Amino acid sequence: SQKIEQNSEALNIQEGKTATLTCNYTNYSPAYLQWYRQDPGRGPVFLLLIRENEKEKRKERLKVTFDTTLKQSLFHITASQPADSATYLCALGAGNMLTFGGGTRLMVKP
Amino acid sequence: DSGVTQTPKHLITATGQRVTLRCSPRSGDLSVYWYQQSLDQGLQFLIQYYNGEERAKGNILERFSAQQFPDLHSELNLSSLELGDSALYFCASSVYGSTGELFFGEGSRLTVL
Repeated sequence: SQKIEQNSEALNIQEGKTATLTCNYTNYSPAYLQWYRQDPGRGPVFLLLIRENEKEKRKERLKVTFDTTLKQSLFHITASQPADSATYLCALGAGNMLTFGGGTRLMVKP
Repeated sequence: DSGVTQTPKHLITATGQRVTLRCSPRSGDLSVYWYQQSLDQGLQFLIQYYNGEERAKGNILERFSAQQFPDLHSELNLSSLELGDSALYFCASSVYGSTGELFFGEGSRLTVL
């Protein structure tokens, strides 16, 4: 069956360090992959989209990689700040459907 | 502010009842998506509409139904409610029906007692 796996355990890092979050998938052939940020009790907010023919995408302090051979995406936040603390969701897109992973909670400590 | 409006923000009701959740998409967006988020299930895709037509269906129960009206707002109807239906229900919109980012509303929190 199709599965999207994100580390369900919270990731705790020190301010200023680089946070790396992982999204693995099985039995999917996504045309694109997206990352969203979700704060408690709020709706997800779009961060980045990367297509299957792209290896890497950057936006300010954010970087996403997409390896269709490994079936994995890595999401990096450089020079992390306490304000980056949130849950980060990856989502795989194929056709008209966007399917979300369970998310990883990131805690950045000052 | 994403531009997507959902009402009501909170709703408490009893088992067996029926509720309607409403969503107004961003101006110009033709596509509306409904997602359910509970603590143990994450964000689950329910259904998508594009310009009034059903485009994709996910894990939506038969007790649930949705529609998109000519003015592009959408309603999600939940009937014969059960305790397990307690969740956050999100609406999202996008310009087109495929690819591209989704703009989410703030959600409707449903509590079934």
